[in-house]
Amino acid sequence: GQNIDQPTEMTATEGAIVQINCTYQTSGFNGLFWYQQHAGEAPTFLSYNVLDGLEEKGRFSSFLSRSKGYSYLLLKELQMKDSASYLCAVRDSNYQLIWGAGTKLIIKP
Amino acid sequence: DAMVIQNPRYQVTQFGKPVTLSCSQTLNHNVMYWYQQKSSQAPKLLFHYYDKDFNNEADTPDNFQSRRPNTSFCFLDIRSPGLGDAAMYLCATSPTGAGGADTQYFGPGTRLTVL
Repeated sequence: GQNIDQPTEMTATEGAIVQINCTYQTSGFNGLFWYQQHAGEAPTFLSYNVLDGLEEKGRFSSFLSRSKGYSYLLLKELQMKDSASYLCAVRDSNYQLIWGAGTKLIIKP
Repeated sequence: DAMVIQNPRYQVTQFGKPVTLSCSQTLNHNVMYWYQQKSSQAPKLLFHYYDKDFNNEADTPDNFQSRRPNTSFCFLDIRSPGLGDAAMYLCATSPTGAGGADTQYFGPGTRLTVL
């Protein structure tokens, strides 16, 4: 079967750095996406990785290792508005997105 | 601004009373998706359209139907809502549904309550 694993919840301090991990087992691989979802709202696109390595976009970076079936989202200089769920999704060989249940990130002052 | 719009944002219906949720897009994307998302769970794909080509997920209940009368609009019909159908319903679009950086863009969602 296809599976995406992420920690259920993480807590971090305002101004700090946090890394949210994602491991996956899917039928094929055609890219990995990270989305941010605030409570009661729709997911918004953050990043896309298809090749191994780090993609940096402002305070957010995403890393991919295809051989390990692993990705992480790195958030720097945390702000209170970063409190949200972060969803990892992998596009499989049928070009369908397989979603993780998300990691709820709690930022404390 | 180009966007994905869902109406209504909040819908309350009674057990067994049919309900229709709507989605429209100004992005001119080829693919439209309907997801069901329950609290703290992953979005669950119900259907998607490649243009007019309808694709139903194998485990989507028959109680759920969809229509896409044109490129811009897509509807989700729940024929006889049960208490277990209370959820957030998310509409998304993507340019091609293929590979590369083809990305899904979501509307704000409709939160359905079943009484």
